[in-house]
Amino acid sequence: EPEVTQTPSHQVTQMGQEVILRCVPISNHLYFYWYRQILGQKVEFLVSFYNNEISEKSEIFDDQFSVERPDGSNFTLKIRSTKLEDSAMYFCASGGQGRLSQPQHFGDGTRLSIL
Amino acid sequence: AQKITQTQPGMFVQEKEAVTLDCTYDTSDQSYGLFWYKQPSSGEMIFLIYQGSYDEQNATEGRYSLNFQKARKSANLVISASQLGDSAMYFCAMVTSYDKVIFGPGTSLSVIP
Repeated sequence: EPEVTQTPSHQVTQMGQEVILRCVPISNHLYFYWYRQILGQKVEFLVSFYNNEISEKSEIFDDQFSVERPDGSNFTLKIRSTKLEDSAMYFCASGGQGRLSQPQHFGDGTRLSIL
Repeated sequence: AQKITQTQPGMFVQEKEAVTLDCTYDTSDQSYGLFWYKQPSSGEMIFLIYQGSYDEQNATEGRYSLNFQKARKSANLVISASQLGDSAMYFCAMVTSYDKVIFGPGTSLSVIP
């Protein structure tokens, strides 16, 4: 069964450094999402991406965040200048055609630790 | 405001029994979708079941069924014949026509042998 893959599984970064989290969505999916989950807390929506542009973003997704689909297969989340509070599990998800009629499939996540 | 409420922070169920996890939602959108995900202690998010707002029948996927009551804005997950491997965190989530996705706070389910 096709799956969403995320790399790396764990990233440790110094505060203030830039970090790029990578995702390969399911190949025929059209909708892409990033979420984060601070340890022990609920899953928070960051951004959705469709047709090569952001379709919706949350209040968390400020100017330090950006997303890109550089080559038609990868979907990346960049955090420009990391802060301690960015430490969390980051999940990528993708959905097929018709985002209101199909589920989103999640990757296994990247655990980001900011020191 | 759009919101998902899961009022049961923790639940216990005897193995082989059925359990219902509650979820209520609030949205003014006419078109939306409701999901349930399972998150075991290993951390991955596993899709369980989906219900569209215009689906007239309740969704079912194996041992999982979604009790969708649109007028009451509830989308409860029913797990039949609980297994030890069902012990996990369960999240209810909603996606709306604006493509914004909201998760509830989750319910921790423990299955007792």
